[in-house]
Amino acid sequence: DAGVIQSPRHEVTEMGQEVTLRCKPISGHNSLFWYRQTMMRGLELLIYFNNNVPIDDSGMPEDRFSAKMPNASFSTLKIQPSEPRDSAVYFCASSLPQGNGYTFGSGTRLTVV
Amino acid sequence: DAKTTQPTSMDCAEGRAANLPCNHSTISGNEYVYWYRQIHSQGPQYIIHGLKNNETNEMASLIITEDRKSSTLILPHATLRDTAVYYCIVSSYNNDMRFGAGTRLTVKP
Repeated sequence: DAGVIQSPRHEVTEMGQEVTLRCKPISGHNSLFWYRQTMMRGLELLIYFNNNVPIDDSGMPEDRFSAKMPNASFSTLKIQPSEPRDSAVYFCASSLPQGNGYTFGSGTRLTVV
Repeated sequence: DAKTTQPTSMDCAEGRAANLPCNHSTISGNEYVYWYRQIHSQGPQYIIHGLKNNETNEMASLIITEDRKSSTLILPHATLRDTAVYYCIVSSYNNDMRFGAGTRLTVKP
């Protein structure tokens, strides 16, 4: 079991550019969560999916953020256009419907300059 | 509105038990208590969860008071590798988890 796989691990981009973060959940997990972590705001839940369907996106900060889950094994979080205040570590997590909590990926550290 | 209250930081001597408290006075009947920890910039790691009975696994024990308004996470023999931020979360079973500021535990030699 390779765990939750996120890519890239680090991303540096210029303001205004489009950024796409990727996540592969653990096989068999039917829920997927995107979080953002900053020193100022801590860990924030952005959006989560059950069975590939978005359930709650109230944490998505602005229309510049979008997330998709086209199938059970892949999800993307896109920021377009990116801004310096989007700099953060973005975590993806997945879980079983009757599982013991979430399994988190190693995160993507995004820096927007 | 925070559902849980935890001390900002705690210290513990290596080899001793670490007891991390959490208050959740507004917990609902169908909400579980979950504990996670985050070791320096890694992704959070699930530790344990419970509804009303005490729970134990290979990592820790969870003691929930009878009125369910508070709980304690116990690391029986803390090691330096247990230094981390520990989060207490109340949530419906495997529903979305909202993380607070947590308790920064420092295990000292």
